[in-house]
Amino acid sequence: DQQVKQNSPSLSVQEGRISILNCDYTNSMFDYFLWYKKYPAEGPTFLISISSIKDKNEDGRFTVFLNKSAKHLSLHIVPSQPGDSAVYFCAASWKGGSEKLVFGKGTKLTVNP
Amino acid sequence: SQTIHQWPATLVQPVGSPLSLECTVEGTSNPNLYWYRQAAGRGLQLLFYSVGIGQISSEVPQNLSASRPQDRQFILSSKKLLLSDSGFYLCAWSLLQLNEKLFFGSGTQLSVL
Repeated sequence: DQQVKQNSPSLSVQEGRISILNCDYTNSMFDYFLWYKKYPAEGPTFLISISSIKDKNEDGRFTVFLNKSAKHLSLHIVPSQPGDSAVYFCAASWKGGSEKLVFGKGTKLTVNP
Repeated sequence: SQTIHQWPATLVQPVGSPLSLECTVEGTSNPNLYWYRQAAGRGLQLLFYSVGIGQISSEVPQNLSASRPQDRQFILSSKKLLLSDSGFYLCAWSLLQLNEKLFFGSGTQLSVL
């Protein structure tokens, strides 16, 4: 049972345009969401997070939006740069439960020059 | 600052051979430690986590085991590797509550032949 779903295995965008990566979750107990970025043969690095008490969090070119009613979050990258090409993982956790991060399968983003 | 070291970076092992992957964290005390595996097309799967010396929790039944002989050392082992153990293994640490913003090592690419 996959609690965190990234339904698009890959996404390709032009440099300078917006990249939108989507993530859906099924567990309504999740209250903290994170995005990680991973280059080949490297460990994932933390990108941005959002608590369930918010619906938006922004950090430079990266913005995460959370729609709790739809159990959906998205990562927007504006403007996209070739160096953003990587696999992006969505992750979720909750307090009071097992408190373990649950990851999606990832979306491979390619930003074309 | 905190750093995490994981080795080796790549490993090719025959089926039936033993395995030992080591991970150490520097610059922090009493971290939570984790072993993840990224198999092809399957995202990041939590294998083990530890909240203290000698305390290991297993997430999935498998051919692997973990140990934490020291506060900042986490070891992943197997007595006899299977073909299905191939994958990219990641060590990670966090502070505060479990899974709050994980920091990953650089990973070990294990190929079992």
